[in-house]
Amino acid sequence: DAGVIQSPRHEVTEMGQEVTLRCKPISGHDYLFWYRQTMMRGLELLIYFNNNVPIDDSGMPEDRFSAKMPNASFSTLKIQPSEPRDSAVYFCASSVGTGPYNEQFFGPGTRLTVL
Amino acid sequence: AQSVTQPDIHITVSEGASLELRCNYSYGATPYLFWYVQSPGQGLQLLLKYFSGDTLVQGIKGFEAEFKRSQSSFNLRKPSVHWSDAAEYFCAVGEPYNTDKLIFGTGTRLQVFP
Repeated sequence: DAGVIQSPRHEVTEMGQEVTLRCKPISGHDYLFWYRQTMMRGLELLIYFNNNVPIDDSGMPEDRFSAKMPNASFSTLKIQPSEPRDSAVYFCASSVGTGPYNEQFFGPGTRLTVL
Repeated sequence: AQSVTQPDIHITVSEGASLELRCNYSYGATPYLFWYVQSPGQGLQLLLKYFSGDTLVQGIKGFEAEFKRSQSSFNLRKPSVHWSDAAEYFCAVGEPYNTDKLIFGTGTRLQVFP
């Protein structure tokens, strides 16, 4: 298996633009997680899905952020409009089931820079 | 709310030296504990995890960690560091009754000198 795939790997955009980050989880995994990593706040869970259904989006910073999972093999995280403070590395992770017995496998991340 | 503290932001060691990375958690019961490693430009990879039982757990790449309830700690160790161990290391905790989520520490960056 290719592992969790994220695209793009790097994104540079201007303030106010819409940004869409994409994730393909490992086949057969039923949980998908979106994280954000910054120097100031470390690694934060934004939202996670189970069987394509959002379970907890309490980590989504504000209404500018939205996430979807239209099918088991694809998820998007959208920021509209983007702001410089959204600059971070965004990780997607997936797992079979959840809990301590189920390892989360992380993608390589998308480094977002908002100018 | 539970939290994870990694007191050391940056550690530098010589190749071949021993290593200990500190992790402290704040939680009333025994949580589930994890160590992840992030190599430059990569995602996180699980090194090891603790649920219960033997308090000394072995992981991949020669790492081990010891759970000490009295100190609320879960320190990561390696007897002899290799240059390829240079990376960022994250401690994480999961609640036994809400295991969907992991709470990550802020990470410790390890630098290895030849």
